[in-house]
Amino acid sequence: EAGVAQSPRYKIIEKRQSVAFWCNPISGHATLYWYQQILGQGPKLLIQFQNNGVVDDSQLPKDRFSAERLKGVDSTLKIQPAKLEDSAVYLCASSVGGGQLFAEQYFGPGTRLTVT
Amino acid sequence: GENVEQHPSTLSVQEGDSAVIKCTYSDSASNYFPWYKQELGKRPQLIIDIRSNVGEKKDQRIAVTLNKTAKHFSLHITETQPEDSAVYFCAARLSGSARQLTFGSGTQLTVLP
Repeated sequence: EAGVAQSPRYKIIEKRQSVAFWCNPISGHATLYWYQQILGQGPKLLIQFQNNGVVDDSQLPKDRFSAERLKGVDSTLKIQPAKLEDSAVYLCASSVGGGQLFAEQYFGPGTRLTVT
Repeated sequence: GENVEQHPSTLSVQEGDSAVIKCTYSDSASNYFPWYKQELGKRPQLIIDIRSNVGEKKDQRIAVTLNKTAKHFSLHITETQPEDSAVYFCAARLSGSARQLTFGSGTQLTVLP
């Protein structure tokens, strides 16, 4: 089966600019996650969707980050305006969701963001 | 929320030796503990997981043990090979409907030939 797709793979922007990342989960996966992975750290959950509804966005810096998952499939994550500390790899993951209590999360290749 | 601590941050072993990575978690309501392997520049991939109703699980050279009383779990890799070199992350998930994972900070494992 095709994996989780993300684009772009790399992005370099200046601080205060805007950027958007795109994720296409595995077909049929109801749950989609966005993680931020700062160099040398584990992934940190930013937001979780179940279909097109938000399940958890408690760690999303809502003053600058936004995310949407229209039609319950693809998702976009936006940062506006970017700060230096936003430099990280942004990982998208998906899982079957629904009633699967221990469903594996499959990760995409990530987008490496550098803010200068 | 859940907090996961992982040790050591770096680990070097000789090829053929065993490697052990340990994690502790804070919330006794956590019920699922996966381990991910992340090679340089690549995506994290699940290598083994354990549920809270099991004390140990093994898959070929990889095993995970769970001590619910002490709230810690460990990854054991036997007969290490150079291709085992990577960053390993543990994670814990609280029971409940949201199913978020909280990750540890990672262990850089280097297997020396």
